[in-house]
Amino acid sequence: DAGVIQSPRHEVTEMGQEVTLRCKPISGHDYLFWYRQTMMRGLELLIYFNNNVPIDDSGMPEDRFSAKMPNASFSTLKIQPSEPRDSAVYFCASSPSPGQGASDTQYFGPGTRLTVL
Amino acid sequence: DQQVKQNSPSLSVQEGRISILNCDYTNSMFDYFLWYKKYPAEGPTFLISISSIKDKNEDGRFTVFLNKSAKHLSLHIVPSQPGDSAVYFCAASAKNFNKFYFGSGTKLNVKP
Repeated sequence: DAGVIQSPRHEVTEMGQEVTLRCKPISGHDYLFWYRQTMMRGLELLIYFNNNVPIDDSGMPEDRFSAKMPNASFSTLKIQPSEPRDSAVYFCASSPSPGQGASDTQYFGPGTRLTVL
Repeated sequence: DQQVKQNSPSLSVQEGRISILNCDYTNSMFDYFLWYKKYPAEGPTFLISISSIKDKNEDGRFTVFLNKSAKHLSLHIVPSQPGDSAVYFCAASAKNFNKFYFGSGTKLNVKP
């Protein structure tokens, strides 16, 4: 399996522009997670999906952020309009189950480094 | 408020010595803990885990210790190798939680 695939790997945009980050989870994984990594706060969970349904979006910072999962193999995280403070690395992760046990770890993609000027 | 804290942003250790990375948590409901390792330009990868029914779990050079009363866990790497240089995240969860809470990470530098 190719693992979790994210695109683009790098994104540089100007303040006010719309940004769309994409993720393809590992096939067969029922859970998909979006994280943001910053120096100050480390890895923050933004939102997660179970079987394409958003379960917990309490980590989404503002209404400018939205996420969708139209099918089991694709998810997007959109920021509109983007601001300089959104600059961070955004990770997508998938898991066969979020519970406990040896098989319940999350598999992360390589991340998208977003820079908003 | 962060429920999982890694208070040391960085740690430098000589090759061959022991590296000890620490993690504290505040939620007493957490009963499953993991460590992830992250290299630059890559996503975090799972390293080792421990359930609250244990106080120690060992995998090769890596050992995780859990002190439930102190709400503290630590990762020991013995002996440390230059290839261990990375950012290490601890994470915690519980049976009724469908997500993990991550710490802010500790950057380990193992000097040759």
